[in-house]
Amino acid sequence: ILNVEQSPQSLHVQEGDSTNFTCSFPSSNFYALHWYRWETAKSPEALFVMTLNGDEKKKGRISATLNTKEGYSYLYIKGSQPEDSATYLCASSGAGKSTFGDGTTLTVKP
Amino acid sequence: GAGVSQSPSNKVTEKGKDVELRCDPISGHTALYWYRQSLGQGLEFLIYFQGNSAPDKSGLPSDRFSAERTGGSVSTLTIQRTQQEDSAVYLCASSKRTGLNTEAFFGQGTRLTVV
Repeated sequence: ILNVEQSPQSLHVQEGDSTNFTCSFPSSNFYALHWYRWETAKSPEALFVMTLNGDEKKKGRISATLNTKEGYSYLYIKGSQPEDSATYLCASSGAGKSTFGDGTTLTVKP
Repeated sequence: GAGVSQSPSNKVTEKGKDVELRCDPISGHTALYWYRQSLGQGLEFLIYFQGNSAPDKSGLPSDRFSAERTGGSVSTLTIQRTQQEDSAVYLCASSKRTGLNTEAFFGQGTRLTVV
């Protein structure tokens, strides 16, 4: 993998559903993996930063895991709520530069 | 200021005109990025500045796009002879390069509409 790739590009779920999406990144020259949440008409804001293989972070109903050896991270949302609707960006930092994926746009229907 | 500041927040311009978008990064942040998001599309990398190094311009879509960063701080993204496909939200972000925290801090963006 040469670039940071996120899948799926978009996701529509019902309120209460749990969901997850993937960020794949180059495993060479890896330094840190960031997840950001980007709500409409706002700036992207950081959710998590992870650096070590096996790292897991949690904030409320949202959690993330990191596998640096195979180059992927998962973001999980448990019991999705309409306010979780946003674009979720991941970025891999290496050699001083962050490379962003295209994002996964989540829409939670009430 | 405390955060990344972009101006203007909205810009409507006529096709063929030149526009300048400005970004004031967080003081002390050596890395500065420009991205854009077109309607229905993902985040698209445009250009990256890091200290005094030559910028990474690999994401600029055409030679109508250019950017500079004066004094390692303020950056200006210039789009010449704007086209309708240039309509997008242009985001600027800055970060520290060194240390554990390479988190990017984003501005509010400039929404450019070319009519």
